[in-house]
Amino acid sequence: NAGVMQNPRHLVRRRGQEARLRCSPMKGHSHVYWYRQLPEEGLKFMVYLQKENIIDESGMPKERFSAEFPKEGPSILRIQQVVRGDSAAYFCASSPRNEKLFFGSGTQLSVL
Amino acid sequence: DAKTTQPNSMESNEEEPVHLPCNHSTISGTDYIHWYRQLPSQGPEYVIHGLTSNVNNRMASLAIAEDRKSSTLILHRATLRDAAVYYCILRPSGSQGNLIFGKGTKLSVKP
Repeated sequence: NAGVMQNPRHLVRRRGQEARLRCSPMKGHSHVYWYRQLPEEGLKFMVYLQKENIIDESGMPKERFSAEFPKEGPSILRIQQVVRGDSAAYFCASSPRNEKLFFGSGTQLSVL
Repeated sequence: DAKTTQPNSMESNEEEPVHLPCNHSTISGTDYIHWYRQLPSQGPEYVIHGLTSNVNNRMASLAIAEDRKSSTLILHRATLRDAAVYYCILRPSGSQGNLIFGKGTKLSVKP
């Protein structure tokens, strides 16, 4: 059973471009969480999704950021018109129910 | 959300036991105590969790105070691979929500 897969591992974008981060949860997991970690800081919750539904997006910036978890395919975190302050490590986690979270290795986003 | 307090950093020698403390004086009766760790350049990894009784697994032991206001994660024999940031997190029973990560304790292991 493969773990949580995130791709790409590293993503470089210029200011104003769009960034798309993908997360494939573990098999059988229907809960997906996205976190952001700025350099030398802790993980900050962004959004929690179940299949086709956003359950909690209280940590997501109101503009430029969106997330989805379609019935088929990976969860996508989309950042439009990226700025330098978006540079961070973005981690995805999945869980089967109200249990422990399994994290991916993250996507390191660098905005030039 | 209930908060936890951990030392910023700790040091250990290889092959010695490590006791990582966590204070959670405002814990409620339904909060589980979870521990995760994050190795350099990796995502967090689940370590252990418990409610009232002490817990053991292949990675570590969790000792919970009788009043539940504090807990200690015990690594029985630290290895260099145990160098990581360790997070103590409270999660209400039945919660479907996210985990709230604090700053954690950065553990250094000396050979």
